[in-house]
Amino acid sequence: DSGVTQTPKHLITATGQRVTLRCSPRSGDLSVYWYQQSLDQGLQFLIHYYNGEERAKGNILERFSAQQFPDLHSELNLSSLELGDSALYFCASSQSGGHSTDTQYFGPGTRLTVL
Amino acid sequence: DAKTTQPPSMDCAEGRAANLPCNHSTISGNEYVYWYRQIHSQGPQYIIHGLKNNETNEMASLIITEDRKSSTLILPHATLRDTAVYYCIVRVTGTASKLTFGTGTRLQVTL
Repeated sequence: DSGVTQTPKHLITATGQRVTLRCSPRSGDLSVYWYQQSLDQGLQFLIHYYNGEERAKGNILERFSAQQFPDLHSELNLSSLELGDSALYFCASSQSGGHSTDTQYFGPGTRLTVL
Repeated sequence: DAKTTQPPSMDCAEGRAANLPCNHSTISGNEYVYWYRQIHSQGPQYIIHGLKNNETNEMASLIITEDRKSSTLILPHATLRDTAVYYCIVRVTGTASKLTFGTGTRLQVTL
């Protein structure tokens, strides 16, 4: 158990819909990262938040957005869902701002299925 | 970040040491080597990291060659629960938010 929690575990929805994935970082961690893992793309970095502010963006679609709240939990919002958005979505957290010795610890993931 | 090369798959007998190689020939002096593993579809699990010295923790040992162009992750006594995909990742110092995962090595531990 990494100490990172994600809800829900599974999500099944239809194309065109909007969903929200939630992540609670480990106690004391200030950074939250979101990754997407699909069958054909592997694990891809989406976005990084540090203490409420966006720090870095990866291959995140414009239909996707995220935020980190004052209590440091984070939400990833996915809208206008397409079949290709079906994937595992992982959240990770780390103590500080993401420098190279700042180890990331991953949550169990949310499996999104778009029908 | 430097590119890494890992064999796509390896087998190991339970109880034996599993030695997983990683080539990172373009690594720079300020880049760290990280290892994660992913068991089935669970979240990636941090194993160990190092810069140039060999490192050991309760999970594994990391051996980095003197020229730093390759490294080996050693699981000293593999068990069936170590069956997973193992990822070797190189991270640059400074602001290095993301982890760049390759395709990793699928380790199968057998009886």
